[in-house]
Amino acid sequence: EAGVAQSPRYKIIEKRQSVAFWCNPISGHATLYWYQQILGQGPKLLIQFQNNGVVDDSQLPKDRFSAERLKGVDSTLKIQPAKLEDSAVYLCASSLDRTSGSYNEQFFGPGTRLTVL
Amino acid sequence: AQSVAQPEDQVNVAEGNPLTVKCTYSVSGNPYLFWYVQYPNRGLQFLLKYITGDNLVKGSYGFEAEFNKSQTSFHLKKPSALVSDSALYFCAVRDKGYSTLTFGKGTMLLVSP
Repeated sequence: EAGVAQSPRYKIIEKRQSVAFWCNPISGHATLYWYQQILGQGPKLLIQFQNNGVVDDSQLPKDRFSAERLKGVDSTLKIQPAKLEDSAVYLCASSLDRTSGSYNEQFFGPGTRLTVL
Repeated sequence: AQSVAQPEDQVNVAEGNPLTVKCTYSVSGNPYLFWYVQYPNRGLQFLLKYITGDNLVKGSYGFEAEFNKSQTSFHLKKPSALVSDSALYFCAVRDKGYSTLTFGKGTMLLVSP
């Protein structure tokens, strides 16, 4: 079974530039998550999709971050404009969960390490 | 609100000795509890989970965890540590009535030869 794919693996940009990350979840997984992991901290959920719909985006800085999941499969996360504090690893995960009450484990991609200079 | 505490930034253990990585949690209802491991430059890998039933949960690579409701803890254990177990370990909790997983800050496990 193929895992969660993410690209690029590394990205270096200057502040105020824009950047986009791509995620392809495991086939058949209904729920997709984007996390931000700052060095020395645990992953923090940015946005959670169930199929095409957004389940939770309460911690997404909507003035600069946006995400979409077209056709309920692939997803992109965009930052525009980037700030220094956005330097982090951005993790994508997926799970089989089809309802909010499910408890299936999440499968994580390798992440994209973003450095903002 | 739900939260997770991992009180130790780092745990050091000699190979062959038992290891314990601590986790306590806070939720308003009944919890779903998870342990994940992260190796350098890689994403998180699922180790085990507690949903209901037996308080002792067995997972991948010989790891197990014990759910203790009265102490709101879910400590990760292994009877005999391997050098290859050295990695960053995350505990996570999810309230049964809530869809979001909350992670602890992580504990670095270092197993010396």
